[in-house]
Amino acid sequence: GENVEQHPSTLSVQEGDSAVIKCTYSDSASNYFPWYKQELGKRPQLIIDIRSNVGEKKDQRIAVTLNKTAKHFSLHITETQPEDSAVYFCAASRGGSYIPTFGRGTSLIVHP
Amino acid sequence: EPEVTQTPSHQVTQMGQEVILRCVPISNHLYFYWYRQILGQKVEFLVSFYNNEISEKSEIFDDQFSVERPDGSNFTLKIRSTKLEDSAMYFCASRPGTSDIEQFFGPGTRLTVL
Repeated sequence: GENVEQHPSTLSVQEGDSAVIKCTYSDSASNYFPWYKQELGKRPQLIIDIRSNVGEKKDQRIAVTLNKTAKHFSLHITETQPEDSAVYFCAASRGGSYIPTFGRGTSLIVHP
Repeated sequence: EPEVTQTPSHQVTQMGQEVILRCVPISNHLYFYWYRQILGQKVEFLVSFYNNEISEKSEIFDDQFSVERPDGSNFTLKIRSTKLEDSAMYFCASRPGTSDIEQFFGPGTRLTVL
């Protein structure tokens, strides 16, 4: 089955800095890669996703890149703000069921 | 904006007892899911449900677990005889249809087994 590795487990940045979270996956058939933000005690919420036919996608301060050959994808947050502080999960899934396999999460702390 | 809802928000039970966790998916969604998240760990898939039957389940979803859609709105997860290791946050999620792959998560039920 699919295995998703996520690094780092904790990321501490100053407000205004950029943050990068990296994930790798094992199943070459995976073709959908969502990223979720989970604030303490809250539900996971989709913040951005990318499909395998695209190498990069951007939404305001958030961007995701995908390298299918290397089987890795990354989340980039620019101009971080304290409200970006949360746990971020990457996931990989494939067509049909699209059931995500999650990474272990990255706790992002943005210091004011 | 419609949201997935779950009740209760927190359930405390004794080991060996049965619990039922309830979810109301977003209306008109066709795919339903249960996930669990042990404290501090990643979200893990339990089961998916489509067209009134289980479409996929993980190895976590053993005979102690069952799901049901008793009416047109509720989606339940039953744990027959709870164990200490069942303590976790349980999330329900729903998805609109075959071509819409984004899943919408509920707020979760925190299950504590004593």
